[in-house]
Amino acid sequence: NAGVTQTPKFQVLKTGQSMTLQCAQDMNHEYMSWYRQDPGMGLRLIHYSVGAGITDQGEVPNGYNVSRSTTEDFPLRLLSAAPSQTSVYFCASSYTGDNEKLFFGSGTQLSVL
Amino acid sequence: GNSVTQMEGPVTLSEEAFLTINCTYTATGYPSLFWYVQYPGEGLQLLLKATKADDKGSNKGFEATYRKETTSFHLEKGSVQVSDSAVYFCALSLGGGSEKLVFGKGTKLTVNP
Repeated sequence: NAGVTQTPKFQVLKTGQSMTLQCAQDMNHEYMSWYRQDPGMGLRLIHYSVGAGITDQGEVPNGYNVSRSTTEDFPLRLLSAAPSQTSVYFCASSYTGDNEKLFFGSGTQLSVL
Repeated sequence: GNSVTQMEGPVTLSEEAFLTINCTYTATGYPSLFWYVQYPGEGLQLLLKATKADDKGSNKGFEATYRKETTSFHLEKGSVQVSDSAVYFCALSLGGGSEKLVFGKGTKLTVNP
């Protein structure tokens, strides 16, 4: 099983550029989410989705957009990159329900200059 | 609010040493508790969990017991290996889906041969 696949693994952007981080899962999970991981801050939830056509904001949604047109894919868009968005981004998925195990992708390291 | 506090890292041990990583929580109800592990260059993966008081979660030689009286879920391993070097995250959930998962800031463990 491929699990959760994220692309790219590394990306460097200039301030003001836009880009899309891709996330795909092959486990038929209803729930998908995006986190950012910063030193000393742990993991913070950006956006999440409980099914195709449904998205909602997490703890730190500003500057990011998401859409969920299929069960498998959940792309994260940076509209106008800022240095504060330099971080490691993780996509995660699970079945819906209580206490479900989250499956994480291997991350995208993003630097905004 | 709901929160998780982990011991400050980094933690450095010699191979075969005993490991304890402290985790305490604050929650408005009776949460389920988790430990996730992140190996270098990878996403997080579930290590173990406990869903009610006095439950013990265990996996790969690691154990943690849900202590309601001390609101704690400390991670222990009797004899660590170099391959256990990773970042360990304690987390809680009060149910309602994976978006409700609250992570601690993580504790980096390095095991030297």
